Amino acid sequence: ETGVTQTPRHLVMGMTNKKSLKCEQHLGHNAMYWYKQSAKKPLELMFVYNFKEQTENNSVPSRFSPECPNSSHLFLHLHTLQPEDSALYLCASSQDPDSYNSPLHFGNGTRLTVT
Amino acid sequence: DQQVKQNSPSLSVQEGRISILNCDYTNSMFDYFLWYKKYPAEGPTFLISISSIKDKNEDGRFTVFLNKSAKHLSLHIVPSQPGDSAVYFCAANSRTGANSKLTFGKGITLSVRP
Repeated sequence: ETGVTQTPRHLVMGMTNKKSLKCEQHLGHNAMYWYKQSAKKPLELMFVYNFKEQTENNSVPSRFSPECPNSSHLFLHLHTLQPEDSALYLCASSQDPDSYNSPLHFGNGTRLTVT
Repeated sequence: DQQVKQNSPSLSVQEGRISILNCDYTNSMFDYFLWYKKYPAEGPTFLISISSIKDKNEDGRFTVFLNKSAKHLSLHIVPSQPGDSAVYFCAANSRTGANSKLTFGKGITLSVRP
């Protein structure tokens, strides 16, 4: 496998469910990110991890809980979500999170629907 | 308030012609700009970037122009091909900023007609 892989590709969950999104990067990068893409809105940064340490939490509700066990894996744990949380969740990685010109490499995303 | 604006949600162009995708920004601290391309059911991929020390950057069929005084940039695709049909995101950052400060626009859907 190469690049950034995300599972599952699609997820439908009820508001009382608990589920997790998984991301793995095979690029040897040091930083990993979670982004949210809602319809008709720009990509919104949710979390940043640098060498497994969370360096950014963009005022995300606590019903979203990230976990980064190592620099290659990133999870987003979901619980008691709301229908407005339905969106495309994108994972990304980059070599140097502090460099403006270290491009982000995105996974294909998880399309989440909350019913 | 949106700092990176892609005001046209869609663009349709005939194969072989030029596609011009526009982007405006409001934050005068932005001095590094990127374009990402996204196919359906795939994640965005980096396409081309430009620093404010230049007003043009070219990579094959893709050229990005930057007009700092107007706070405007544009992506030109010549000649356009059906495989270019995708959503194009403009993004901006400061060269003193980290990747976490990258600000995206809403995207423009480009359709290239055969």
